[in-house]
Amino acid sequence: GAVVSQHPSWVICKSGTSVKIECRSLDFQATTMFWYRQFPKQSLMLMATSNEGSKATYEQGVEKDKFLINHASLTLSTLTVTSAHPEDSSFYICSAPRGGSYEQYFGPGTRLTVT
Amino acid sequence: QQQVKQSPQSLIVQKGGIPIINCAYENTAFDYFPWYQQFPGKGPALLIAIRPDVSEKKEGRFTISFNKSAKQFSLHIMDSQPGDSATYFCAASKGQAGTALIFGKGTTLSVSS
Repeated sequence: GAVVSQHPSWVICKSGTSVKIECRSLDFQATTMFWYRQFPKQSLMLMATSNEGSKATYEQGVEKDKFLINHASLTLSTLTVTSAHPEDSSFYICSAPRGGSYEQYFGPGTRLTVT
Repeated sequence: QQQVKQSPQSLIVQKGGIPIINCAYENTAFDYFPWYQQFPGKGPALLIAIRPDVSEKKEGRFTISFNKSAKQFSLHIMDSQPGDSATYFCAASKGQAGTALIFGKGTTLSVSS
């Protein structure tokens, strides 16, 4: 299968600071990437769709000014959690479909803890 | 409104057993149905997927059964092993390739030795 990486794998930050998470497709180009959030023992909830060269599309209830998404190249999308608060602590996972394919490949996830 | 309903929430089987996980959907526009396996602290890994034009697909020990008229699909794991202990998610998407997935709530499987 295709490879999607994320960095960092885990991060601890203080309340009020911002954190950037990177998602890279390593062996294919991805014009679209997706960002999900997963709370403990829960399912994956779609946060936003990241489109290369254009603005991201956010799901209802997701604050676009708080979760900034930038898809600057065909292999990289970033999610920045601005002014993070403890309730933002979660497991953030990106995915990317290989071009023209229904199959989506997920990154290993980033564990964010806000203290 | 939950678009993909998954059951059971948890499942315990003995080694060699055949756990079955079920999912149901309402939106007839869904046309791609994958199953993912997730271990604690890891991202989901694609196991197997099916499209509505077939009723069954098998890959190794994993089989998807699909019932279009009932809007249901299920995952069967043959000869289950302790290493299969994980959380399994069904999902669905609609429209063109590469659209967002809608996930079920997940099933935690434990395979005892």
